[in-house]
Amino acid sequence: AQRVTQPEKLLSVFKGAPVELKCNYSYSGSPELFWYVQYSRQRLQLLLRHISRESIKGFTADLNKGETSFHLKKPFAQEEDSAMYYCALTTGGGNKLTFGTGTQLKVEL
Amino acid sequence: NAGVTQTPKFRILKIGQSMTLQCTQDMNHNYMYWYRQDPGMGLKLIYYSVGAGITDKGEVPNGYNVSRSTTEDFPLRLELAAPSQTSVYFCASSGRGSGANVLTFGAGSRLTVL
Repeated sequence: AQRVTQPEKLLSVFKGAPVELKCNYSYSGSPELFWYVQYSRQRLQLLLRHISRESIKGFTADLNKGETSFHLKKPFAQEEDSAMYYCALTTGGGNKLTFGTGTQLKVEL
Repeated sequence: NAGVTQTPKFRILKIGQSMTLQCTQDMNHNYMYWYRQDPGMGLKLIYYSVGAGITDKGEVPNGYNVSRSTTEDFPLRLELAAPSQTSVYFCASSGRGSGANVLTFGAGSRLTVL
């Protein structure tokens, strides 16, 4: 079965510092990867998906099939980036998403 | 356009009681899901549905039941509540095509079983 691993429960960075939220997955085929975000008192929402190859709110993520990773990066952290971030994977098959355990990002002033 | 609406937002149950978490969406989405979110455990899929009349088990279905009589509604039933079911429950939906894997989530329902 597929699995998503987010090794950091909490990541604390200073404003203006680079951010990298790690995500590794286990699946032998070609998955579709996502990052979802949950800001304080807001609903869980899609941040970005690898097939779109977009930069959303300054965040980017590249799918590395060799390393089976989909790390989320931002060059300069902002206070409003503080949130819970979930990496998720689907292999098709009913569109079920498998989520990682999440990383709480705290951006300090 | 309300999106995904869940009720109730909060509920406290006694061990052995039953209840239904309601979920409705107004986006005409085919796919609907129930997840539970436990601290440090991420989101676990309980049940999902690919359309009216069709439901299937997810990763953690024990102790729950669902039905999908209409496209809009996907209630989650807890029978004989147990402390292990204390969690935050999220309903979500998604459409077809390029948006099929993009989930729209409800606000969540926090359930405590004492």
